[in-house]
Amino acid sequence: KAGVTQTPRYLIKTRGQQVTLSCSPISGHRSVSWYQQTPGQGLQFLFEYFSETQRNKGNFPGRFSGRQFSNSRSEMNVSTLELGDSALYLCASSFSGGSSYEQYFGPGTRLTVT
Amino acid sequence: AQTVTQSQPEMSVQEAETVTLSCTYDTSESDYYLFWYKQPPSRQMILVIRQEAYKQQNATENRFSVNFQKAAKSFSLKISDSQLGDAAMYFCAYRSASPDMRFGAGTRLTVKP
Repeated sequence: KAGVTQTPRYLIKTRGQQVTLSCSPISGHRSVSWYQQTPGQGLQFLFEYFSETQRNKGNFPGRFSGRQFSNSRSEMNVSTLELGDSALYLCASSFSGGSSYEQYFGPGTRLTVT
Repeated sequence: AQTVTQSQPEMSVQEAETVTLSCTYDTSESDYYLFWYKQPPSRQMILVIRQEAYKQQNATENRFSVNFQKAAKSFSLKISDSQLGDAAMYFCAYRSASPDMRFGAGTRLTVKP
């Protein structure tokens, strides 16, 4: 079974631009979560989608948004990029999103904002 | 709010030896799950082991085992017969009814040949 895939793997953007990241979960997984990883803040939860609905959201500004499609693929969008948005963005999928189901992570998208 | 604390930013172990990584957490819930994830330099986060809070028996996966002390809210990871491929960042994680997973700051493990 294929793992979680994320595209693109690397991205360089300029301040003020917007960016869209994509995540394809493991086949059969319906929950997709997004995390931001930085050296200073560590791993921080962005949001989680289940069956095309956002179920939970972390403490991030409205510039960060996402969506999930009927095939469970998810996209994350960041508008008006700031230098502090430079990070590794990780996507994780799980079967149902319940606490008993461990999350499987993708390789991440490294975003650099200049 | 649930918090996860890893008090060891870095640890080092000799190849073939045993090392224990510490993790404590804070929660008022009784039903939750704990995980250890490994993140090697390639950056792919890999699940190492998981523990259900309602189970008293400590989880074991080959050379990896945990010491789960529910009353003390402690969840340490023991790696036996350490191998060079075990070198990575290790993250302790907590998850309850809320869908988001809380992670500790991580422990960087170095394995010396």
